[in-house]
Amino acid sequence: NAGVTQTPKFQVLKTGQSMTLQCAQDMNHNSMYWYRQDPGMGLRLIYYSASEGTTDKGEVPNGYNVSRLNKREFSLRLESAAPSQTSVYFCASSGSGGADGSYEQYFGPGTRLTVT
Amino acid sequence: SQQGEEDPQALSIQEGENATMNCSYKTSINNLQWYRQNSGRGLVHLILIRSNEREKHSGRLRVTLDTSKKSSSLLITASRAADTASYFCATMPGGSNYKLTFGKGTLLTVNP
Repeated sequence: NAGVTQTPKFQVLKTGQSMTLQCAQDMNHNSMYWYRQDPGMGLRLIYYSASEGTTDKGEVPNGYNVSRLNKREFSLRLESAAPSQTSVYFCASSGSGGADGSYEQYFGPGTRLTVT
Repeated sequence: SQQGEEDPQALSIQEGENATMNCSYKTSINNLQWYRQNSGRGLVHLILIRSNEREKHSGRLRVTLDTSKKSSSLLITASRAADTASYFCATMPGGSNYKLTFGKGTLLTVNP
């Protein structure tokens, strides 16, 4: 099992360029998440998908879009990158809680994005 | 907005000592979780404590939860150099099965 994989690992963009960050999980999890991590700020939720076919905004969704392509894959798109989007981006997945209590999240290795 | 806030922001101890980190939060929770992040890596889930639990153990980890004070603590006993990492608490709000809100973390350094 690879767990949660993310591509690319590193990316440098110029202001105004667009890109898509890819995330895939092989744990048959229903829920997937995108976070950004900035120094001294902890992790902040950008978007999440509680189940295939649904997506919802998190704490900091402005400037981003997401697609839940299927149960395994959840992508994050920056349409017009800005320097304020320089960050480390983490994808995560989890079960749906409920009776099995599978609330813990499993994280990918991260994508380090710099926007100049 | 951050829900959980860890204290202290940084902690430096010697190998073999115990490390205690605290987390305070503001609203009612379904559960509280602790994660570890080694430098430059993704977060790893350590332990989950539900709102109706007061204490939980996992190996060298002990977590307590006081819902009346809206606080939790993570104790790592007999620390090792390999425990050097950032530790985050994350709260799942009452009524939610999905979203976690993370604190800013405690950077633990264990000196050999």
